[in-house]
Amino acid sequence: DARVTQTPRHKVTEMGQEVTMRCQPILGHNTVFWYRQTMMQGLELLAYFRNRAPLDDSGMPKDRFSAEMPDATLATLKIQPSEPRDSAVYFCASGLNRQGSETQYFGPGTRLLVL
Amino acid sequence: QQQVKQSPQSLIVQKGGISIINCAYENTAFDYFPWYQQFPGKGPALLIAIRPDVSEKKEGRFTISFNKSAKQFSLHIMDSQPGDSATYFCAASPLYTRTSYGKLTFGQGTILTVHP
Repeated sequence: DARVTQTPRHKVTEMGQEVTMRCQPILGHNTVFWYRQTMMQGLELLAYFRNRAPLDDSGMPKDRFSAEMPDATLATLKIQPSEPRDSAVYFCASGLNRQGSETQYFGPGTRLLVL
Repeated sequence: QQQVKQSPQSLIVQKGGISIINCAYENTAFDYFPWYQQFPGKGPALLIAIRPDVSEKKEGRFTISFNKSAKQFSLHIMDSQPGDSATYFCAASPLYTRTSYGKLTFGQGTILTVHP
């Protein structure tokens, strides 16, 4: 049963600290998405990778957020420095992202609380 | 123009009843319309999806109705069950091209509660 995995599942940190979230996409999927979910804003797309290349990070605050794919099995989202307004659930999703195979498979999320 | 507006925000239905969630969009370039279901503490999961070349798609108790001229689509859950209690998101994405990637725009979500 192929699944997207995310670590950590929960993270509590203090303002100003660095936060790194990790995602392992489903083997064989060539696209990875990072989303942020809050009650106020709903699901927001932060970044998108295809074949490990970042194609769209327009939804990501550039001054403190960064996203990378060091290899095909690992995607990372980093916040430095973190702020209380970053508190949210961060989802990673992967897929084949082509006509006829548009389904995005979401991981269980990382619940982040910045104090 | 990229927005997808979803209503209602919350919905309470009795077991066996019909749940209806509506979405409206403005971008005529949208070509793919999925519905995602999210249970507490879990990530969203694809429930059912439709393309604008058909007006209805049914999978079990779940049906999408699509009105291209009105730019609206809706999810109908027949014989609603307590296990259907979850948050439902509609979404839309444009046609895939060599330069676009079908970015999904999500609605705000509907919290469905089905009472036994």
